[in-house]
Parts: sequence; C-alpha cells; structure tokens
Amino acid sequence: QVQLQQSGPGLMKPSQTLSLTCAISGDSVSSNSAAWNWIRQSPSRGLEWLGRTYYRSKWYYGYAESVKSRIYINSDTSKNQFSLQLTSMTPEDMAVYYCARSQHVDPSKGAFDVWGQGTMVAVSS
Amino acid sequence: DIQMTQSPSTLSAFVGDRVTITCRASQSISTSLAWYQQRPGKAPKLLIYKASSLESGVPSRFSGSGSGTEFTLTISSLQPDDFATYYCQQYNSYWTFGQGTKVEIK
Repeated sequence: QVQLQQSGPGLMKPSQTLSLTCAISGDSVSSNSAAWNWIRQSPSRGLEWLGRTYYRSKWYYGYAESVKSRIYINSDTSKNQFSLQLTSMTPEDMAVYYCARSQHVDPSKGAFDVWGQGTMVAVSS
Repeated sequence: DIQMTQSPSTLSAFVGDRVTITCRASQSISTSLAWYQQRPGKAPKLLIYKASSLESGVPSRFSGSGSGTEFTLTISSLQPDDFATYYCQQYNSYWTFGQGTKVEIK
C-alpha cells in the first residue's frame, strides 16, 4: 500500500520560503511509471496543481505558470521523498498543501491516485 | 488553460436517491477526466479515472460517463458515507479542477 507522509511548517511570515517534504512508502520516487505532484487548496483558488517531478532515465520537472517564478521541486532518492519550495510567500499563498502521485504511460497526464494528508499553511506577520 | 465547470454547486438529496453531477470542459479533453470525493479535513479521494473507469476499492454505485467536453458522475443509490464534496479534474493538458459540488443531506 502506497502512502505519502507530509512534513513541514504550518506558519510562515510574508516573504519567507515555504519548504514541505513528502516521504514515500510502498513506491519509489524514481519509479518509471509514476510522477510526484504538489497541489494546494484554498477557498479563493480551489484545488490548484503547482508542479511535479518524475524520473524517466533522467529527472524532469514541471511547474504551473501561476507559480513558475517562485517554485522549486526536488527529489531525494536516498530518503525516497520529494520536496516543495515556494519563495516570497504572501497571504494569497495561504492554503492546504498536498502531495500526490499520478500514474500514466504519459507522465504529463494521469489522475492523482494517492494523496498525502495535507499541510495547512498560514501566512501572517 | 482548460477551465472545468461543475453543476450544481450544491445538491440536497435523501439517502437512497440517484444523484448526477455534471462537469463541462472549456475544450475537448477526450476521456482525460477524473472524479474525486473529499470529506471535511481530508485529502481528495480518487473515484473515477479515464472518465468511466472505477478506481480499485470504490463502490460500484459510483459511475462516470462522457467524453470530449461533457461528463457526468452518477451515484446510483446515495449512502450516508457519500455526503461530501465532489470534484472533477481534467488531465489532458496539465491539471485543472472543477469548483466542486457539495452533496448535502435533505
């Protein structure tokens, strides 16, 4: 059974960088059939895909246009986890952040079949 | 970006009712559509992928149909566990979600 366990702070100050980690059990971050995603959910923006990473002989990364200039996703094969960094946080970035797996022969597609538990992130001075 | 529009936003129904939720895409997405159920304080749970394929472990009272731009999620006989919010999601071009349909007890 695949499980994703998120960790990271729940309170940020404006302009700080958010760092969240998603630890994978039951699958591998370097799987040739999975992609590893970050999604957030807020009352104002709904569910919003932020970015993903996947391994197909080499590492690939992709980011949503809305956060492209501020986001960085990394993978750590030694710990079997992937992480999100979002710079220059503002109150508009307040949301519940989720990690999730997608599986599809085309890594640019696929539904999210396994989700982390979510991390509520508040932004306040 | 592909926009996803769900209707209705809220739906009130009795246990045992047949319930249908509609999702429209702003352009054709073939069958690259998923449905999720979300309970308060929990992560979304995948119910349907590829428009009509039932995720393993999901009760058969859930079904999906459609292709192109029009899709439906049907719950054949609403159970107490089914009162939740449902989202559609397209994955034909990146990933975008509908705004959600809350299913409430009547």
